[in-house]
Amino acid sequence: RKEVEQDPGPFNVPEGATVAFNCTYSNSASQSFFWYRQDCRKEPKLLMSVYSSGNEDGRFTAQLNRASQYISLLIRDSKLSDSATYLCVVNLPPTSGTYKYIFGTGTRLKVLA
Amino acid sequence: EAGVAQSPRYKIIEKRQSVAFWCNPISGHATLYWYQQILGQGPKLLIQFQNNGVVDDSQLPKDRFSAERLKGVDSTLKIQPAKLEDSAVYLCASSSTTTWESSYEQYFGPGTRLTVT
Repeated sequence: RKEVEQDPGPFNVPEGATVAFNCTYSNSASQSFFWYRQDCRKEPKLLMSVYSSGNEDGRFTAQLNRASQYISLLIRDSKLSDSATYLCVVNLPPTSGTYKYIFGTGTRLKVLA
Repeated sequence: EAGVAQSPRYKIIEKRQSVAFWCNPISGHATLYWYQQILGQGPKLLIQFQNNGVVDDSQLPKDRFSAERLKGVDSTLKIQPAKLEDSAVYLCASSSTTTWESSYEQYFGPGTRLTVT
């Protein structure tokens, strides 16, 4: 089983739709969780951190389910500009004194006019 | 504040040739990362530096890849000799963190797109 798994998509949704992505992780000792956004041929950028209590930033909501070992990202009222790849990132506990980032393969979202 | 700088942006080489990439992290960031991103995949960590020391190079193919960060600032990643499967985008990232902090943002550079023919 991969350490971090995502559905690669693409998810094709119309403008204004609500879309949700899940990401599962295998290491129950994982400490921190993030969603990064990567536009085509660009570098990844932090979208939001994922907290145990869940967090919301405008149209974006991230949640963590430790019991089932997954995180989710919900996008409401999709915009054309939301079209991108969404990378799930899990931070593993230190083995040699440092935390380690593991990236998922990403989920492609295409918002259609 | 200035972002992470990388050069070159694009490089085309033949297999068995050597290539080097350069990264200048955000000023004051102690941690520097090199990632390899193959088309359709997420970034894979190659090596992580804390100041000028290596803290994780478990996924670096050491028979052909090497990296250094001699003064704890700039870093170079070298491939010698290159193989066809090394074709990828090489991303450098930096973060302001101490070793034991888990929640921190990584800032990525624009990457170097390497094509090996």
